[in-house]
Amino acid sequence: DAKTTQPPSMDCAEGRAANLPCNHSTISGNEYVYWYRQIHSQGPQYIIHGLKNNETNEMASLIITEDRKSSTLILPHATLRDTAVYYCIVRANSGGYQKVTFGIGTKLQVIP
Amino acid sequence: ETGVTQTPRHLVMGMTNKKSLKCEQHLGHNAMYWYKQSAKKPLELMFVYNFKEQTENNSVPSRFSPECPNSSHLFLHLHTLQPEDSALYLCASSQDLAGALETQYFGPGTRLLVL
Repeated sequence: DAKTTQPPSMDCAEGRAANLPCNHSTISGNEYVYWYRQIHSQGPQYIIHGLKNNETNEMASLIITEDRKSSTLILPHATLRDTAVYYCIVRANSGGYQKVTFGIGTKLQVIP
Repeated sequence: ETGVTQTPRHLVMGMTNKKSLKCEQHLGHNAMYWYKQSAKKPLELMFVYNFKEQTENNSVPSRFSPECPNSSHLFLHLHTLQPEDSALYLCASSQDLAGALETQYFGPGTRLLVL
């Protein structure tokens, strides 16, 4: 799996958009970008994933650059409950189990 | 309610103790996983089971012994642990091994402290 780099921490005001960046400059053509988050003392929670097109679901939007070397997770209206560690992961989606390295992630603190 | 439960949620044990962590999934999944998350370290995969058969052991020391009696239950037996084994132990399940990452459902974890 390709390695990802994320800032260790970020702050965001409540109600504002939280933009979390991720660099994955060695991503391969068949690797997807996944985002997970982990709220303190809970298991990781899937957020969104994409290959090359921008994606949106009820939780977030994912913007992937044209060269696919970086991406941004956007939480459009951050709430206090969005305070968590956010993990950016890249992996192929070709079937069969594949080991995933979560990395350290970005600790997002939403401020009232 | 994630459908994956873990007990106990917290555990304190001495280095000479023997204890077991339990994971149960109510989702009808066939694959189950144990992960370890230490403070300030990435989430680490420990074991993978598919249809009760172990398919991966990620170089885990023998003081950790997994058991999967059926597709719904997964245990992690602990004996003669070291203080550095203190961590959050997470269980996860997925429908099968061919699924994409988003099909893995995680339990709340057991926070283990080894004294």
